[in-house]
Parts: sequence; structure tokens; C-alpha cells
Amino acid sequence: NAGVTQTPKFRILKIGQSMTLQCTQDMNHNYMYWYRQDPGMGLKLIYYSVGAGITDKGEVPNGYNVSRSTTEDFPLRLELAAPSQTSVYFCASRAGHEQYFGPGTRLTVT
Amino acid sequence: GNSVTQMEGPVTLSEEAFLTINCTYTATGYPSLFWYVQYPGEGLQLLLKATKADDKGSNKGFEATYRKETTSFHLEKGSVQVSDSAVYFCALSDTGTSYGKLTFGQGTILTVHP
Repeated sequence: NAGVTQTPKFRILKIGQSMTLQCTQDMNHNYMYWYRQDPGMGLKLIYYSVGAGITDKGEVPNGYNVSRSTTEDFPLRLELAAPSQTSVYFCASRAGHEQYFGPGTRLTVT
Repeated sequence: GNSVTQMEGPVTLSEEAFLTINCTYTATGYPSLFWYVQYPGEGLQLLLKATKADDKGSNKGFEATYRKETTSFHLEKGSVQVSDSAVYFCALSDTGTSYGKLTFGQGTILTVHP
């Protein structure tokens, strides 16, 4: 039981490039989330999903897109990377009151 | 809207010292309250939770009591260890929403010296 896994761990992008952050969970949870964590700040919700085929925006969705074709996978897409998207990205899934977090992806946009 | 405010950090303590990290919240309705811990290079882990007023959450020697009258959920530990060095986040979940959104405080960095 691996829990929530994220790839890659680190990535450097140039302005205007695109990439997909991968997130997979093996706990059969319906609810999944993407957060970003900026230095000295708490986590902000980017997008969430309540099940396969259903996604919705969180607090800071601009510049990102998501899809949820299966229960296990919830990828986050950055289409045109900007320096403001430099952050650490966490994926999470939920059962009951508890959210389970992946180890994070540290993204730098230069 | 909902918000969580944590005491400013960082906090530096000697081993076996008493720890308090203050957390206050603003929310409509009756939120559930959480403390998450983030060890260096890792994701967040749930440390403890409380789902209704006057509940006390506890785990690994840490405790926090859900105080509705003061809208607080302060984290305490009687004797910290070097291994407790981490970032601690207070968070709330609005039970009025269907998707369980968590609102986080800004985090408090704790460093414990031998």
C-alpha cells in the first residue's frame, strides 16, 4: 500500500513551457485534491475532485487544469508556466475526516 | 470566509521543554479542526484532530482541545524531543461543504535542540 505518490519530485521549467504533475493513490478514495505551498504560507487549494469524471476549482485555479479519468489518478497540468507558479505542489486524497498527502513536487519556473 | 491564524514562528526550544503553538480560527458553522505535521522533505501527516467543541485530540504526546468559546485549538506537548522538529499546520474543515476543503494556517517551524 503506497498511499499517495507524486512524480516528479523536482522540476525546473522555463517560462512558457508546459508540464503535467502526476498523482496516484491506491486507497480507492473518491476525493482528491491539489494544493500549492508557498514559502511561509499555508497550503492553498488549486483543484479538487469528488470522483472519476468530476472536478472543480479551488481557491487558486488560474494557470492550471486537471482531469480525473480514473479513481486512482489525478494529474495537474500547467500549460504556460509562469514564475508565479514556482511552488511546492501537494496532492492529497481523503477518507472520512483525514486527508492523506503525497511527498510533493518542487517546481521552479525561471 | 474561513481562516486560520497560527502564532508566528519559528519556535526554538531545548529538548524536554514545554511546547505551545497557538491557533485560532474563524468559521461559519461547526468546523472540524486538525493539526498536521510536515517533516523535512516530506508531505503533511495528520497529527491529531477534533470534530466538535470540547473534544481533545491527542497523539504522540501532543494534545489540542477544541475551544468554541475562544475559537482556538492550541497545540501542546509537555516534553519535546529533537525528533519533533518539523513544521506544524493548524487547519479546519468546513463541515458545511460537500468536498471537505481544508483551510490551513501559515505553519509554524519548530526546532528542538539537544
